[in-house]
Amino acid sequence: DVKVTQSSRYLVKRTGEKVFLECVQDMDHENMFWYRQDPGLGLRLIYFSYDVKMKEKGDIPEGYSVSREKKERFSLILESASTNQTSMYLCASSFLTDTQYFGPGTRLTVL
Amino acid sequence: GEDVEQSLFLSVREGDSSVINCTYTDSSSTYLYWYKQEPGAGLQLLTYIFSNMDMKQDQRLTVLLNKKDKHLSLRIADTQTGDSAIYFCAESIRGGGNKLTFGTGTQLKVEL
Repeated sequence: DVKVTQSSRYLVKRTGEKVFLECVQDMDHENMFWYRQDPGLGLRLIYFSYDVKMKEKGDIPEGYSVSREKKERFSLILESASTNQTSMYLCASSFLTDTQYFGPGTRLTVL
Repeated sequence: GEDVEQSLFLSVREGDSSVINCTYTDSSSTYLYWYKQEPGAGLQLLTYIFSNMDMKQDQRLTVLLNKKDKHLSLRIADTQTGDSAIYFCAESIRGGGNKLTFGTGTQLKVEL
């Protein structure tokens, strides 16, 4: 079974803090994705990566950056967290053009 | 551009059929997906359909695609309380490994 894990289920941070969200997949997938989920807006793509050290902007990259130093790990970074980044963050991975598999999500609250 | 729309809520009685609808705008979509999200969990792939198909059936799930109207539906037969969840449709023009565009999600509530 494909397994995508995220470092935290719940996270509370203060405005201005640097926040790291980690995602690890165990299926040697090339592609990894970060989405945020907000009520009434569905899932919106923040960044994605097709390979190690490679990244591409999604639909809403402002205020975020990513890092992919190893194939199995894709990190989302909030350089200076703001209250409008309070959201559910979902990571996904896939093999080439195959189905995306999702992690359980991290609910981030920025105070 | 890509845009995927769904109604936000649907309520059905246990044992009835549920039909969740989705419309999309990108005529070059080649794959259309249905994902399920249970409370506090990530998204689980339910089923998908290629754009050259009209229908796909998998046990209690039936997916219908009307490519002319860009309309996708998911029918759940004999709906159970365990089917209560948010259902997302998503489209991709190059397969799931590339970018997916998601709808807003439909909250399905199953009442006894």
